[in-house]
Amino acid sequence: NAGVTQTPKFRILKIGQSMTLQCAQDMNHNYMYWYRQDPGMGLKLIYYSVGAGITDKGEVPNGYNVSRSTTEDFPLRLELAAPSQTSVYFCASSYSEAWGGANVLTFGAGSRLTVL
Amino acid sequence: KNQVEQSPQSLIILEGKNCTLQCNYTVSPFSNLRWYKQDTGRGPVSLTIMTFSENTKSNGRYTATLDADTKQSSLHITASQLSDSASYICVVSALHSGGGADGLTFGKGTHLIIQP
Repeated sequence: NAGVTQTPKFRILKIGQSMTLQCAQDMNHNYMYWYRQDPGMGLKLIYYSVGAGITDKGEVPNGYNVSRSTTEDFPLRLELAAPSQTSVYFCASSYSEAWGGANVLTFGAGSRLTVL
Repeated sequence: KNQVEQSPQSLIILEGKNCTLQCNYTVSPFSNLRWYKQDTGRGPVSLTIMTFSENTKSNGRYTATLDADTKQSSLHITASQLSDSASYICVVSALHSGGGADGLTFGKGTHLIIQP
């Protein structure tokens, strides 16, 4: 049981390049999330999904896209990388909605992205 | 606007000593409060979750308290160990009315260093 797996762990991009951060979970969780963590700041929600085929914007969605074709996978796409997207990205999953009851988020190890 | 403030920003203590981390929040309507531990280069891991009716919850050497009236929480670490060196993040959940964000507000974290 691997939990939440993110790849790559590190990546350097040039301005204007595109890339996809991969996220997979093997816990059969319905809900999946993408957060970014900037130095000295709290985590910010980028996008989330409540199940296969359903995605919704979070607090900071601009410059990103997501898809959820299966329960297990939730990739995050950066189309035209900008220096402002330099950050650490965390994928997370939960059995039901994060805000409900006492539902626990399981996080991946993170992907550190630098845009130069 | 929902906010979570943590103090101190950073803390250095000697191994074996106790410490207390603080979290003040202005999240409404309140659902639950979580403490996460984030080791360097890793994703956050849940320590405790407390709902409105819970005043104290323990997880080994970690004890969280919640005062819903004053909107304050603390995380007390007893007999600190070198492995306690990490960032500790307070996360407050608002009752979700449907659509939009995940209802979670993350604090910036307290960076704790345990020295031998």
